[in-house]
Amino acid sequence: EPEVTQTPSHQVTQMGQEVILRCVPISNHLYFYWYRQILGQKVEFLVSFYNNEISEKSEIFDDQFSVERPDGSNFTLKIRSTKLEDSAMYFCASRTQYTDTQYFGPGTRLTVL
Amino acid sequence: QKEVEQDPGPLSVPEGAIVSLNCTYSNSAFQYFMWYRQYSRKGPELLMYTYSSGNKEDGRFTAQVDKSSKYISLFIRDSQPSDSATYLCAMSVGVQSGTASKLTFGTGTRLQVTL
Repeated sequence: EPEVTQTPSHQVTQMGQEVILRCVPISNHLYFYWYRQILGQKVEFLVSFYNNEISEKSEIFDDQFSVERPDGSNFTLKIRSTKLEDSAMYFCASRTQYTDTQYFGPGTRLTVL
Repeated sequence: QKEVEQDPGPLSVPEGAIVSLNCTYSNSAFQYFMWYRQYSRKGPELLMYTYSSGNKEDGRFTAQVDKSSKYISLFIRDSQPSDSATYLCAMSVGVQSGTASKLTFGTGTRLQVTL
């Protein structure tokens, strides 16, 4: 069964450093999402991406964040200058154009020291 | 008022019990409802989804939606220790709206099924 994959599973970085989180969505899906979950809190929407552009973003997704689909398979989330409060699980999700059902990857745990 | 409210639990039940998990929401634009299961430090795993008011059954799981009351439920029959996880409700306005149809999650209910 196809699934969303994410790398790395755990990333540790120093405050102020740039990180890139990678996702490979399900191959026939056209809509891609990033969510984050701070420990003990709910899953929060960050950004959605369709047809090579951002279709919606939340207040959390400020100028420090960017997304890219550099090739036909990868979808990345970049945080330019990480802050302590960026420490969280980051989930990638994808769906087809026909349904609202989103399938999530296993997540990347980001720890900012 | 939060868009989606969910009792965080924890909820502890004996094996074999019927479990009822619930969410309420305030945004009447929500049209699509999902339940995800999440094990500790893992990604949300889709359990069930539904568009319409009423019941939808899949094995031991039944999803119920009451749009007039803005209330959704997930019932688990014959609960097993392997059902121990956090259950997340999620909802969206639907792809028909022409939007990106982001998901809005509840806080999750932690369920523990004991032997």
